[in-house]
Amino acid sequence: AQSVAQPEDQVNVAEGNPLTVKCTYSVSGNPYLFWYVQYPNRGLQFLLKYITGDNLVKGSYGFEAEFNKSQTSFHLKKPSALVSDSALYFCAVRDYGSSNTGKLIFGQGTTLQVKP
Amino acid sequence: DSGVTQTPKHLITATGQRVTLRCSPRSGDLSVYWYQQSLDQGLQFLIQYYNGEERAKGNILERFSAQQFPDLHSELNLSSLELGDSALYFCASSADEVHGYTFGSGTRLTVV
Repeated sequence: AQSVAQPEDQVNVAEGNPLTVKCTYSVSGNPYLFWYVQYPNRGLQFLLKYITGDNLVKGSYGFEAEFNKSQTSFHLKKPSALVSDSALYFCAVRDYGSSNTGKLIFGQGTTLQVKP
Repeated sequence: DSGVTQTPKHLITATGQRVTLRCSPRSGDLSVYWYQQSLDQGLQFLIQYYNGEERAKGNILERFSAQQFPDLHSELNLSSLELGDSALYFCASSADEVHGYTFGSGTRLTVV
């Protein structure tokens, strides 16, 4: 069964420092991977995706993610964190179940706290 | 504005009652997905519709049902509500699996 894990409930980083939010996945085929961000009382917003091609994917708001097939990871990164990046981040993988519906399976989420 | 519209934004109702949540997908998207977000369960997939037909079912209770209409809007019906049904309910739409989802802003349901 397809699954995605975010091993950290919370990541704390100082403003201006680099940040990493970790994600590992398990799929039976080629992974379609996504990152979403959720601000308080808002819906999820798309950040970036990996379908195929370059392992380093660039997305919105200066975020990027590195796809590592051997480690089955898709960590979200940003070179310099902003206080406004504080939010809940979700990693997701497309479900390759028998129905092949395109349904996304989400990790449990990681709260990013950026302190001034 | 993401293009996915959910109404109402907030709903407070009593146990045992029935409510209907509505979702209008982004223009051109044929798939609609419903998710429940609660503090202890994260984002749980409930059900998917594609062009009016049910496509996939997740952890959806028998008290819950959904449908997608010819104009592609979708409704999620929750009945015999319990306190534990209090959660954020999100609708998302997509054109295809490559492009991921566009989420609505959610309906916060509080059962008292």
